[in-house]
Amino acid sequence: DIQMTQSPSSLSASVGDRVTITCRASQGIGNDLGWYQQKPGKAPKRLIYAASSLQSGVPSRFSGSGSGTEFTLTISSLQPEDFATYYCLQHNSYPWTFGQGTKVEIK
Amino acid sequence: EVQLVESGGGLVKPGGSLRLSCAASGFTFSTYNMNWVRQAPGKGLEWVSSISSSSTYIYYADSVKGRFTISRDNAKNSLFLQMNSLRAEDTSVYYCVRGQGPSFWGQGTLVTVSS
Repeated sequence: DIQMTQSPSSLSASVGDRVTITCRASQGIGNDLGWYQQKPGKAPKRLIYAASSLQSGVPSRFSGSGSGTEFTLTISSLQPEDFATYYCLQHNSYPWTFGQGTKVEIK
Repeated sequence: EVQLVESGGGLVKPGGSLRLSCAASGFTFSTYNMNWVRQAPGKGLEWVSSISSSSTYIYYADSVKGRFTISRDNAKNSLFLQMNSLRAEDTSVYYCVRGQGPSFWGQGTLVTVSS
C-alpha cells in the first residue's frame, strides 16, 4: 500500500500569511494526487486535481505542485474562510490513501 | 447541478447490517466510476470501496473486505453499499464520491454501530 505522509498536522497562521502543506508518498504516484478542504460538519471539497490543476471555482490563492513522491499545497494569502482541515489523496493505485490531515487554525 | 444524496444510515447493533444508497443527479452517472469514503468521528478520511462505471472492476479496503459489497444501478442513477457484520469501528459518516480522481462528494450519512 502507498503511505501518504502529510505535514504539518496542524498550524496556526494569520490572515494574509502564506501557508504551505506537504504530502510525501511512499512510492511514486505520478500526478495522481488531489487536495481537499473540509470545514466542520461539511463534506470535503476538492481544491486541486492532478497535483497542480485548480478546480473550477476555487480561488487562485490556492495552488498545488509536485509529482512523483513530493507534493505541496500553497495558500498564497490566507483568508478567514480558509481556516479548515486539508487532506491530500493519492488515487494512483488501490487502496487509495489519504494524508492524515492538516488543521489550519487562526493565530 | 451535480447532486449526490446518501441515505440509509442509522443506529445498528454490532453484527447487524445496513444498506446505504446514493442517489445521483445532474450528470451522466453511467460514465463515472463511483466510490465510498468514510470518516470516523473526529478522525481523518478513509477510502472504503470503488466501482467502475459498468461494474466491471470493484475494489475494497482490507478493513471491509468480505463484509461490505458495493454495487450500482445505472438505470436508476444509484450507488449502494451493503454493510454486513458491522463493528463498532465501522461507526463513521459515509460519503458517496464521484470519479476516478474523486471530484464531488455527497453530504454523507452517519452510521453508528453500538449496542
